Amino acid sequence: SSELTQDPAVSVALGQTVRITCQGDSLRSYYASWYQQKPGQAPVLVIYGKNNRPSGIPDRFSGSSSGNTASLTITGAQAEDEADYYCNSRDSSGNHLIVIFGGGTKLTVL
Amino acid sequence: QVQLVESGGGVVQPGGSLRLSCAASGFTFSSYGMHWVRQAPGKGLEWVTFMRFDGSNKYYADSVKGRFTISRDNSKNTLYLQMNSLRAEDTAVYYCAKDMDGDYGGDFDYWGQGTLVTVSS
Repeated sequence: SSELTQDPAVSVALGQTVRITCQGDSLRSYYASWYQQKPGQAPVLVIYGKNNRPSGIPDRFSGSSSGNTASLTITGAQAEDEADYYCNSRDSSGNHLIVIFGGGTKLTVL
Repeated sequence: QVQLVESGGGVVQPGGSLRLSCAASGFTFSSYGMHWVRQAPGKGLEWVTFMRFDGSNKYYADSVKGRFTISRDNSKNTLYLQMNSLRAEDTAVYYCAKDMDGDYGGDFDYWGQGTLVTVSS
């Protein structure tokens, strides 16, 4: 079955750069999207497509992709970036389309 | 501004049914695909189902296929999720989410606040 793999936890020092990765076969065909979720809140889209940020998302968030791996980079991490981050992509099985999520990465800002 | 407001969650016994609603506002509801995504307590996000902007196509995760039914009423700007034969493992916060595309993009640009479904005897 299709799946996306993320590291469970990553930490970064305040103001430093951190990369969160997502691996899966579907990423060879489709771009990943990235979502930030803080405790008790709904997810928020931070990156979609090749490297697009929705309105209101700081430019310290960026995305990239190579082969079966997508990456979310936060350049100059801030305390408010501490959250869970999820990647997702669409995939297909025959004529049936699905969406798959990674297991999530808990980002700690030290 | 875009708003998605879910309702209909609650406690239900195993084998029971529940119908969730998602009232949309602030955008042309009839132009966008819509999804349901769930999150079990302390767990990650799980996609549940999708319906195309005009209701012509719908897709389901294997875990809910045959038990859950997605529908929409574009005249009422409302998305629905009929959940039958509920199991303990269906316990989760259920979010409705707007797709950036009318058909099937898989990028969710707006989410509701979620409604909690608890399946327990």
